Amino acid sequence: KAGVTQTPRYLIKTRGQQVTLSCSPISGHRSVSWYQQTPGQGLQFLFEYFSETQRNKGNFPGRFSGRQFSNSRSEMNVSTLELGDSALYLCASSLEPGTGLTGELFFGEGSRLTVL
Amino acid sequence: AQSVSQHNHHVILSEAASLELGCNYSYGGTVNLFWYVQYPGQHLQLLLKYFSGDPLVKGIKGFEAEFIKSKFSFNLRKPSVQWSDTAEYFCAVNVVGGGNKLTFGTGTQLKVEL
Repeated sequence: KAGVTQTPRYLIKTRGQQVTLSCSPISGHRSVSWYQQTPGQGLQFLFEYFSETQRNKGNFPGRFSGRQFSNSRSEMNVSTLELGDSALYLCASSLEPGTGLTGELFFGEGSRLTVL
Repeated sequence: AQSVSQHNHHVILSEAASLELGCNYSYGGTVNLFWYVQYPGQHLQLLLKYFSGDPLVKGIKGFEAEFIKSKFSFNLRKPSVQWSDTAEYFCAVNVVGGGNKLTFGTGTQLKVEL
């Protein structure tokens, strides 16, 4: 069974630009979550999508947005990049929230964003 | 809002030593509890979980954790560590009914020396 796939793995942007990251979940998983990982703040929840609807949202500014497609693939977008947005962005997929197995996340390897 | 505290940021042990990593959370309602592990160069993966029932849960690779509700704690233990246990360990919680939103601790970097 293929794992969670994130693209691109590495990217470099400059301040003010925008970036789009992609995530393909494990087949059959309909919930996709995004996390930001930095040395200073650790792992912080960005948002969760299920059936193309945002189910949960973390405490990030509106520059951070996401969406989910009908095939469960997800994208997240960060507009007007700031130096502080440099981080590893992790995508995680899981079964439906109502299965009783909530919180069992399968993570991808991440997209490492560097903002110059 | 819930929060998670991991008291040990860096731990160095010799092989065969016993391990205990502390984790405390703050939240007044019902939570699910997790330990995730990130081995060098690998992605984050689930080590063990507690949803309900027996407060002593066993995970992969000989790890176990005990949920003590009165202390809001979920400490991770292993009787005898191996060099291959070198990794970063994260405690996490999510609120029951809150979907898949996890709140993570800051992580504990474990180094096991031969």
